[in-house]
Amino acid sequence: GAGVSQSPSNKVTEKGKDVELRCDPISGHTALYWYRQSLGQGLEFLIYFQGNSAPDKSGLPSDRFSAERTGGSVSTLTIQRTQQEDSAVYLCASSLVGQGDEQYFGPGTRLTVT
Amino acid sequence: GENVEQHPSTLSVQEGDSAVIKCTYSDSASNYFPWYKQELGKGPQLIIDIRSNVGEKKDQRIAVTLNKTAKHFSLHITETQPEDSAVYFCAASISDKIIFGKGTRLHILP
Repeated sequence: GAGVSQSPSNKVTEKGKDVELRCDPISGHTALYWYRQSLGQGLEFLIYFQGNSAPDKSGLPSDRFSAERTGGSVSTLTIQRTQQEDSAVYLCASSLVGQGDEQYFGPGTRLTVT
Repeated sequence: GENVEQHPSTLSVQEGDSAVIKCTYSDSASNYFPWYKQELGKGPQLIIDIRSNVGEKKDQRIAVTLNKTAKHFSLHITETQPEDSAVYFCAASISDKIIFGKGTRLHILP
């Protein structure tokens, strides 16, 4: 079946502009995660959605970052007033139940802020 | 704070030899330890995982060992092949999150 998809695959934006990154999780997966991967670095946790519970936003680096998950399915990560240090690959993952479950990752969105 | 340390950051092994990647974690309550493989331009993919009620798990050429007392776990790849070249991430469940190590870039030399 279809895996996790993300769009766009690449995004180049000017410093100060807002960007929206989209994630379509695997159908039926209740948990959805966003991570940031800077060049040569590990996976930095950003935010976690689990069913109808309030999301765990503890990894968001600043108030310029926000995310929504509508209808328990598609999620959008928004970065306002982008800065050059926001340049990274943003990865989305979903899992059937939640933590302690295999996470299925999308291919990522490579964001470049010029 | 909550932490997963991974070593080495880069590893080069001759094709056919074994590769070992080691991780340590900080929270003794962690009970789930997955390993992910990331190929160039792709998202990470789970290759093996282990839970705290077992000490070792094997799947063909891949094995993971867990030492809960020492709070460390390791990935072993035997008879390495060119397609094993990738970045490998360990992770541990800490509180209600999965925390990833910084990754190991594995090069398989011909």
